[in-house]
Amino acid sequence: NAGVTQTPKFQVLKTGQSMTLQCAQDMNHEYMSWYRQDPGMGLRLIHYSVGAGITDQGEVPNGYNVSRSTTEDFPLRLLSAAPSQTSVYFCASSYTIAGASTDTQYFGPGTRLTVL
Amino acid sequence: DAKTTQPPSMDCAEGRAANLPCNHSTISGNEYVYWYRQIHSQGPQYIIHGLKNNETNEMASLIITEDRKSSTLILPHATLRDTAVYYCIVRVRPGTASKLTFGTGTRLQVTL
Repeated sequence: NAGVTQTPKFQVLKTGQSMTLQCAQDMNHEYMSWYRQDPGMGLRLIHYSVGAGITDQGEVPNGYNVSRSTTEDFPLRLLSAAPSQTSVYFCASSYTIAGASTDTQYFGPGTRLTVL
Repeated sequence: DAKTTQPPSMDCAEGRAANLPCNHSTISGNEYVYWYRQIHSQGPQYIIHGLKNNETNEMASLIITEDRKSSTLILPHATLRDTAVYYCIVRVRPGTASKLTFGTGTRLQVTL
């Protein structure tokens, strides 16, 4: 198993540009999520999904869109990038019980995004 | 979910036990204690979790006080590869999907 994969590893955008961060997992996990991590801070939840066709907002959803058309993929879209979105983005996945994430979340290697 | 308090940093000599404390004085009866770690530039990694009994796995041991207001993660023989930020998280199991909340953690530096 490749686990959780993220592309690209690094990205530089100009203010106002749009882009999609890709996340895929091959463990047949129902739950997937996106976090951002800023210097000196912990991870903050952006959006999550408990299954294909189901998404919901986390702590800091503004400026980001997600969709979940398949179990494997959970892309994160930045519609109009802003310097405040400069961060490291992590995707995670896990099994679910009763529609909620279980103990072990598997994280991808991260995407380092800089918005100029 | 209950809030946790951890020291910002700790040092440990290689080969010695690393004991990382966590305070969670407002923990509820149905909340578990989880530990994750994040090695530099990598995604977080699950270590262990527990409710009230002490737990051990191949990576670490978790000691939870009888009143459950604090816990200690023990790495029995720390190596340089254990240098990381360690996060103590309290949540209901299975958690609501939005509630795996990472604080700032403890930065453990293992030295020769």
